[in-house]
Amino acid sequence: KNEVEQSPQNLTAQEGEFITINCSYSVGISALHWLQQHPGGGIVSLFMLSSGKKKHGRLIATINIQEKHSSLHITASHPRDSAVYICAAFSNTGNQFYFGTGTSLTVIP
Amino acid sequence: DAGVTQSPTHLIKTRGQQVTLRCSPKSGHDTVSWYQQALGQGPQFIFQYYEEEERQRGNFPDRFSGHQFPNYSSELNVNALLLGDSALYLCASSFLWGLSGYTFGSGTRLTVV
Repeated sequence: KNEVEQSPQNLTAQEGEFITINCSYSVGISALHWLQQHPGGGIVSLFMLSSGKKKHGRLIATINIQEKHSSLHITASHPRDSAVYICAAFSNTGNQFYFGTGTSLTVIP
Repeated sequence: DAGVTQSPTHLIKTRGQQVTLRCSPKSGHDTVSWYQQALGQGPQFIFQYYEEEERQRGNFPDRFSGHQFPNYSSELNVNALLLGDSALYLCASSFLWGLSGYTFGSGTRLTVV
């Protein structure tokens, strides 16, 4: 069993739809990261969370430490949001990331 | 302010050869971590360097080795390449083990033929 599980693996949405990507983790963490990876491979860090909720533009990330669960929401989705979104748990013991396998999002105009 | 720079961006090697990948961390960062991302998979932790020493290591064989230089840049070396080593190799830099966040490079796409 992977330390970090994401769902769904693939997601197709119409432009304007509200999108939710879920992440569950089993390790103790000091922070939970949401990353965005475009087809070229480069990764951009979207959020780093240790509690509560963060918002940046149309993106919202939440975390429930007790339930070891985090969600990434995209409001009013746009084709440029199409990418792979990766949940990464930063271990509080090993100083390393445990990555989910990613959610491939395609937003259709 | 430059972010994390990786070179080369793409590389093709023959099975059995050796390869060196390079990473320059973001200005102000002192810790470099390397990850292997196979196609369709999430990244897997290879190792982390801080103060020119390997501090943490994932489940990778000794064929994978690294180095960190006094200027904090780092190299990843892979010996005796296997077809299964074909992947995107990502470098991430941080300050003091990433307590304030990580910056990722764009990766080096290695193809072993």
